Amino acid sequence: GAVVSQHPSWVICKSGTSVKIECRSLDFQATTMFWYRQFPKQSLMLMATSNEGSKATYEQGVEKDKFLINHASLTLSTLTVTSAHPEDSSFYICSARLAEYEQYFGPGTRLTVT
Amino acid sequence: GQSLEQPSEVTAVEGAIVQINCTYQTSGFYGLSWYQQHDGGAPTFLSYNGLDGLEETGRFSSFLSRSDSYGYLLLQELQMKDSASYFCAVRDDYKLSFGAGTTVTVRA
Repeated sequence: GAVVSQHPSWVICKSGTSVKIECRSLDFQATTMFWYRQFPKQSLMLMATSNEGSKATYEQGVEKDKFLINHASLTLSTLTVTSAHPEDSSFYICSARLAEYEQYFGPGTRLTVT
Repeated sequence: GQSLEQPSEVTAVEGAIVQINCTYQTSGFYGLSWYQQHDGGAPTFLSYNGLDGLEETGRFSSFLSRSDSYGYLLLQELQMKDSASYFCAVRDDYKLSFGAGTTVTVRA
């Protein structure tokens, strides 16, 4: 099956610093990738849609200047959490769209901001 | 916007059958997907219904009735490894909106 990787799998950073998370589709090309956020025991909330070669589309309530998304190639999208604060601590998951209704998820990145 | 409802928890014994219902209210609808997620892991795709009816994949089946805005996931011959969270998700064009998830606990 299609494989999506994320790096790092977990990260601890200090408040005020920035963190970059990478999402890669390993065996297919993805013009569209998605970034989700998940709090413990809660659902996945779509943050933004990342389109290769164009600007990301952010969901309502998501600060685009805080969560910078870059989709520079057909296999890589990055999410940078800028000036991170403790409330940004969460599980960030990406997915890559393979076909019409097929999205494959990465293993997630657990971010802890101290 | 999208609104999905599914039960928060279900507990059953090994070998049993569990049905997880999902009702939805959406502004756009292309289909209903089901995902499984183990603690700390990535959601994995289980099933998709674009049309009314039943889709069967091994021990898992999914059903959709678009006129009732309702679907369900049926887990048969439950195994301990099926203990996980199960999410229904509505596909609106290219985006997925997830329900809150149902935690399934399988007891010996």
